[in-house]
Amino acid sequence: AQRVTQPEKLLSVFKGAPVELKCNYSYSGSPELFWYVQYSRQRLQLLLRHISRESIKGFTADLNKGETSFHLKKPFAQEEDSAMYYCAAYILTGGGNKLTFGTGTQLKVEL
Amino acid sequence: DTEVTQTPKHLVMGMTNKKSLKCEQHMGHRAMYWYKQKAKKPPELMFVYSYEKLSINESVPSRFSPECPNSSLLNLHLHALQPEDSALYLCASSQRAGSNYGYTFGSGTRLTVV
Repeated sequence: AQRVTQPEKLLSVFKGAPVELKCNYSYSGSPELFWYVQYSRQRLQLLLRHISRESIKGFTADLNKGETSFHLKKPFAQEEDSAMYYCAAYILTGGGNKLTFGTGTQLKVEL
Repeated sequence: DTEVTQTPKHLVMGMTNKKSLKCEQHMGHRAMYWYKQKAKKPPELMFVYSYEKLSINESVPSRFSPECPNSSLLNLHLHALQPEDSALYLCASSQRAGSNYGYTFGSGTRLTVV
């Protein structure tokens, strides 16, 4: 089945430590991949997308087709990075295009 | 205006009531979406509208009825809901219903069915 997998429900790191939020996908072909973030009591917002290869708020994500992964990384975690992070894949189905979310990883940055 | 606005923010309704959720955007986006999000779960797609036409219905029960009266508005009409329909309902929009376009989400309507 086509899906996006985030194996960690919760990731706790200390401020200043490196962060890696894991995302794996199982789709045929090359899906469009995104990371969305939801800060406490705020709306879900786009963090970055693989096609633009950009860095937002110090986060980067590289598509690894061999490992079918799109892990989100940041070299030095900040307290304000604490949030729920969703990996999402944009797939073309018989019914049309769909943005499908992984189960999410709650990142907690401790002082 | 770079936001998606959803009203109301909170809604409590009985199982025999009829209510509507409203979503509005003025970014010129031609694709709009309804998602349902239960607590501590990811958003689940319900409907996709592209150029005001329904393009995807994810086998949503008929007690949920979407409507897109124009390119800026998206409604979700609710009738005879069940308590298990209580959730956060999110509206989103994107430039087009195609890849490469990130979605802009509203802050949601928190629905409680009693």
